[in-house]
Amino acid sequence: AQKVTQAQTEISVVEKEDVTLDCVYETRDTTYYLFWYKQPPSGELVFLIRRNSFDEQNEISGRYSWNFQKSTSSFNFTITASQVVDSAVYFCALSESWYSSASKIIFGSGTRLSIRP
Amino acid sequence: ETGVTQSPTHLIKTRGQQVTLRCSSQSGHNTVSWYQQALGQGPQFIFQYYREEENGRGNFPPRFSGLQFPNYSSELNVNALELDDSALYLCASSPLRGGDTEAFFGQGTRLTVV
Repeated sequence: AQKVTQAQTEISVVEKEDVTLDCVYETRDTTYYLFWYKQPPSGELVFLIRRNSFDEQNEISGRYSWNFQKSTSSFNFTITASQVVDSAVYFCALSESWYSSASKIIFGSGTRLSIRP
Repeated sequence: ETGVTQSPTHLIKTRGQQVTLRCSSQSGHNTVSWYQQALGQGPQFIFQYYREEENGRGNFPPRFSGLQFPNYSSELNVNALELDDSALYLCASSPLRGGDTEAFFGQGTRLTVV
């Protein structure tokens, strides 16, 4: 069965601190996709990144970076020099392979990140 | 702006009633998925429509049903509403039905059942 675990329910840091959101996943598929989404108070899920299971290269996008480690089934997300606008709920998610008939996304329970000024 | 729009934004219904939620997918996207997000939880997959046919379903009872129209917009229907159906309902559209694509989400419809 597929599962995504975000053990950190809530994190609160002071602005400009670095913060890492943890994500651990379970799947029997050899081909799968991992995602991070941001959900601000407005409710809309904002896509941040997609990574396929064959690409373990870490990625950096501005203040955001992602560390994918297949050996530990983890896909962690780091925000460098956090800002108040980063405050939101962040979801890690997993999707079945391309060959599946339905690309349902399995979400973790989310981490609520609060950045204090 | 993702281009996925949902209506209505908020809705209050009474237990036992029926409700229809609507979603307009992003231009060029032929796949629409619906998710239910209870308070404090992650979204859960309800079902997916691909080219007007149901293309997969999560663990939801038959009283949750849907439609996709030729223009790829979609409806989610819930019959015999229960209090536990109170949630944010999110629609997502994608250009492909497989996993190798990001899904773009609408702002959701917040349904309250009283």
